Amino acid sequence: DAKTTQPNSMESNEEEPVHLPCNHSTISGTDYIHWYRQLPSQGPEYVIHGLTSNVNNRMASLAIAEDRKSSTLILHRATLRDAAVYYCILRVPRDDKIIFGKGTRLHILP
Amino acid sequence: ETGVTQTPRHLVMGMTNKKSLKCEQHLGHNAMYWYKQSAKKPLELMFVYNFKEQTENNSVPSRFSPECPNSSHLFLHLHTLQPEDSALYLCASSQAPGLAGPTGELFFGEGSRLTVL
Repeated sequence: DAKTTQPNSMESNEEEPVHLPCNHSTISGTDYIHWYRQLPSQGPEYVIHGLTSNVNNRMASLAIAEDRKSSTLILHRATLRDAAVYYCILRVPRDDKIIFGKGTRLHILP
Repeated sequence: ETGVTQTPRHLVMGMTNKKSLKCEQHLGHNAMYWYKQSAKKPLELMFVYNFKEQTENNSVPSRFSPECPNSSHLFLHLHTLQPEDSALYLCASSQAPGLAGPTGELFFGEGSRLTVL
């Protein structure tokens, strides 16, 4: 399985943008990049996904490197409620094995 | 409210007890999953069901026995557990990957926190 590498933890100030990096140097051409986050005492929730092009939704933006070996999840204006563990996952089409890594624990400073 | 409901939210059991965790999804999905989350460890995929058929068993000990009677319900039957099985057990659902392609996002419940004494 292609793997991802993320920093263990990051800090950011409230109301500032946050850039969460993910390396996936062994990604294959058909793997999708998915991001989930897990708020304290909750199950993970889907954030965003992409294949090659940058993506935006109401929660975040996803910037994918041209060679697809890395990606960055962007929270445009962090709030205290964005403090969570963020997981970067590679999804193989039509494969139901969805494997989570350790993720990045994001701390938001008021 | 995520559309995936897990009961009970908390469970304490002895090593000789038999108990079950229940998961119900109201999203019309075809695939259901059990994950285990131990303290300071990544989520571990345990079982996957597509259209009620088990498609993944990630080398889970037989003291954990899943059951999927229909696409909306998933159970995890527990017997003769060990203290190291204490963890948060998370259920998730999605459209079956073959139908939804790679976008079949997972919807998780809030989990059942299990303590084995």
